[in-house]
Amino acid sequence: GQQVMQIPQYQHVQEGEDFTTYCNSSTTLSNIQWYKQRPGGHPVFLIQLVKSGEVKKQKRLTFQFGEAKKNSSLHITATQTTDVGTYFCAGRRGSTLGRLYFGRGTQLTVWP
Amino acid sequence: DTAVSQTPKYLVTQMGNDKSIKCEQNLGHDTMYWYKQDSKKFLKIMFSYNNKELIINETVPNRFSPKSPDKAHLNLHINSLELGDSAVYFCASRQSEETQYFGPGTRLLVL
Repeated sequence: GQQVMQIPQYQHVQEGEDFTTYCNSSTTLSNIQWYKQRPGGHPVFLIQLVKSGEVKKQKRLTFQFGEAKKNSSLHITATQTTDVGTYFCAGRRGSTLGRLYFGRGTQLTVWP
Repeated sequence: DTAVSQTPKYLVTQMGNDKSIKCEQNLGHDTMYWYKQDSKKFLKIMFSYNNKELIINETVPNRFSPKSPDKAHLNLHINSLELGDSAVYFCASRQSEETQYFGPGTRLLVL
């Protein structure tokens, strides 16, 4: 079954609005990664979170890892048309050889 | 230089044919993957190899057979292609805790 749940599946916003996507795991994760896939492209790594309660920022993007290391979020402030794409979270459990469990992704559309 | 490369980029073929997709990474990574991405963008892991050894084999029809001749290459052979095999297939590689690097994808269309 689905190991990492991600919502929403689709999000349409007007340029300038904020956007958030959420990931939730049924089990504790050793780390969580976020990827962005532009239309027609391939997933590209954005960031990795490892510590409980960790918050990292990349310009208008804010990434959070929950205290229990079971959930994570990506928040984009004041979206731009360049933010269009699918955002995936991917959680890892256990060892370094452990696979990444990808969420289903959130497809973001930004209207100009 | 491209870190993870795949060939071909596009593949259009008839039902019942056999086809192969090739993947190469020049990052020196030990672990390589094949993912299938459907029309709804869902990324489904298919196989993973670590130093040429199969470590993940998800529930994939046995028409799909991966082969890793060395740790820089992971190829995917598909026998008796079906309509439902149409998807984008991504190869990826990583080293221990590091990020996963994805190839550009192979867009397979089975007619």
